[in-house]
Amino acid sequence: DAGVIQSPRHEVTEMGQEVTLRCKPISGHNSLFWYRQTMMRGLELLIYFNNNVPIDDSGMPEDRFSAKMPNASFSTLKIQPSEPRDSAVYFCASSLARGPYEQYFGPGTRLTVT
Amino acid sequence: TQLLEQSPQFLSIQEGENLTVYCNSSSVFSSLQWYRQEPGEGPVLLVTVVTGGEVKKLKRLTFQFGDARKDSSLHITAAQPGDTGLYLCAGEDFNKFYFGSGTKLNVKP
Repeated sequence: DAGVIQSPRHEVTEMGQEVTLRCKPISGHNSLFWYRQTMMRGLELLIYFNNNVPIDDSGMPEDRFSAKMPNASFSTLKIQPSEPRDSAVYFCASSLARGPYEQYFGPGTRLTVT
Repeated sequence: TQLLEQSPQFLSIQEGENLTVYCNSSSVFSSLQWYRQEPGEGPVLLVTVVTGGEVKKLKRLTFQFGDARKDSSLHITAAQPGDTGLYLCAGEDFNKFYFGSGTKLNVKP
């Protein structure tokens, strides 16, 4: 079975540009999570969806960040405009929305904003 | 805010030694997961513990959930270089996960 798929794996962009990160969750999973990982702050939850509906976006740092889940098999995280401090590894994870809740992570997208 | 504190932050040991990593919180969780993350990859789920006092074994790794479901420990027996990585604990509450800052383990041959 395919795990969580993320694209691109690496993204280098200039400050001010729009960045879109993509995620395909594990088939049948109905919860999807976006995280950001940095050395300073560790793994931070940005937003999560249940059945394609955003449940908690309190971790989204600013209005420059937005996330969508148009269907059960696809989600995007967009940063517009990007800033150097957005440089991090962004992970997508999925789980079933029933206990015991267990998350499965994708390989991540390493974003560098210059 | 449900915070998880992991200790130690860094651990460098020789192959064959035993070690224990701790994950502590003041909050009660429905379950707790342990993950291992290697450079350039996403965290990989190792185990989920659900019941207070529960002990699970995965080869040389032993996981314990505290009686009050607020803390957990990971014990590795006879560590090997392949155990090197970042170990993360995560407390779960109604499908929302709270991650500790991690323990970076280096096992030297």
